[in-house]
Amino acid sequence: AQTVTQSQPEMSVQEAETVTLSCTYDTSESDYYLFWYKQPPSRQMILVIRQEAYKQQNATENRFSVNFQKAAKSFSLKISDSQLGDAAMYFCAYRSRGGATNKLIFGTGTLLAVQP
Amino acid sequence: EAGVAQSPRYKIIEKRQSVAFWCNPISGHATLYWYQQILGQGPKLLIQFQNNGVVDDSQLPKDRFSAERLKGVDSTLKIQPAKLEDSAVYLCASTPDASRISGGYTFGSGTRLTVV
Repeated sequence: AQTVTQSQPEMSVQEAETVTLSCTYDTSESDYYLFWYKQPPSRQMILVIRQEAYKQQNATENRFSVNFQKAAKSFSLKISDSQLGDAAMYFCAYRSRGGATNKLIFGTGTLLAVQP
Repeated sequence: EAGVAQSPRYKIIEKRQSVAFWCNPISGHATLYWYQQILGQGPKLLIQFQNNGVVDDSQLPKDRFSAERLKGVDSTLKIQPAKLEDSAVYLCASTPDASRISGGYTFGSGTRLTVV
């Protein structure tokens, strides 16, 4: 069974600085997706960035980028030029690529605080 | 397009009472998911529907939880009788087609259930 581990329960960053959130996962599959979701106090999960395992190039979305290390099963999220609106809970998630069941498997989350 | 709608937003009940949550997915989305998010944990899949059929309910406590998706559109999740450990946020999500999606899900804002 696949598992996702986030070892940082809380992180803090100064506004305009850069922060990296860590995520490791375990799987025997070779093809899958990895995601970072943001969950603000409104509770709605918002997709931040997505990585396809067969792509070696790291995904980027504006100020958000990932460091995907497939052999090490590591998938970290870097937030550049942090803004107050980035403060939220961040979840790393895994999904198999094939099959009818496409459930997301989540880590336990990292609470990010942004200091003005 | 309208997002995933959920109601109620909050619910407080006593243990052994029953409760129901409602979800209306994005129009045309064939696949609907119910996730349970206990405080301090990542969301966990309870049940996945493809149209009005169940694809995965392996983690649904079937002695007390039930869910249906009549006509393949909106869905209801019920708990009867509730236990203290059922206190959680219940998130609904939808995707166009589980077998073909490559991106993330669209989540609703969830229902926060407190069992006292």
